[in-house]
Amino acid sequence: GENVEQHPSTLSVQEGDSAVIKCTYSDSASNYFPWYKQELGKGPQLIIDIRSNVGEKKDQRIAVTLNKTAKHFSLHITETQPEDSAVYFCAASKGGSYIPTFGRGTSLIVHP
Amino acid sequence: EAGVTQFPSHSVIEKGQTVTLRCDPISGHDNLYWYRRVMGKEIKFLLHFVKESKQDESGMPNNRFLAERTGGTYSTLKVQPAELEDSGVYFCASSPTRQGVTQYFGPGTRLTVL
Repeated sequence: GENVEQHPSTLSVQEGDSAVIKCTYSDSASNYFPWYKQELGKGPQLIIDIRSNVGEKKDQRIAVTLNKTAKHFSLHITETQPEDSAVYFCAASKGGSYIPTFGRGTSLIVHP
Repeated sequence: EAGVTQFPSHSVIEKGQTVTLRCDPISGHDNLYWYRRVMGKEIKFLLHFVKESKQDESGMPNNRFLAERTGGTYSTLKVQPAELEDSGVYFCASSPTRQGVTQYFGPGTRLTVL
């Protein structure tokens, strides 16, 4: 089955800095890669996703990149703000049911 | 539009007891999923309903877990009898399409088994 590794487990940055979270996956058949943000007391919320036919996708301050050959994908957050503080999960899935396999999560702390 | 709701938000029970978790998906969503996150680990898939039918229950850990979705609306997940390793946060998610690419998660139920 699919295995998703996520690093780092904790990331502490100053407001305005950039943050990068990296994930690797094992199943070359995976073709859909969502990223979720979980704030305190809430469930994971989809913030951005990328499909295997695309190398990069951007939405305002967040961007995702995908390297299919190396089987790794990353989340980039620029100009971080305190409200970006949360746990971020990467995931990988494939066509059919699109049931995601999640990474272990990264706790991002943005210091004002 | 109301989001996915889960009840209770927290549950503390003793080993050997029974607990039932409830999930109300977004109205009209045919797909309903249950996940679990054990402390510090990844969120793991438990099972997937399409309407009232179990589409995939490959993630259910053992026969102490029973999920139902009578009438294809809300779902319950019963753990009987509960063991210490069942502690964690149980998430429910729903999606409107047959192939649920975008899943909407509830806030989770934190289960602690003492």
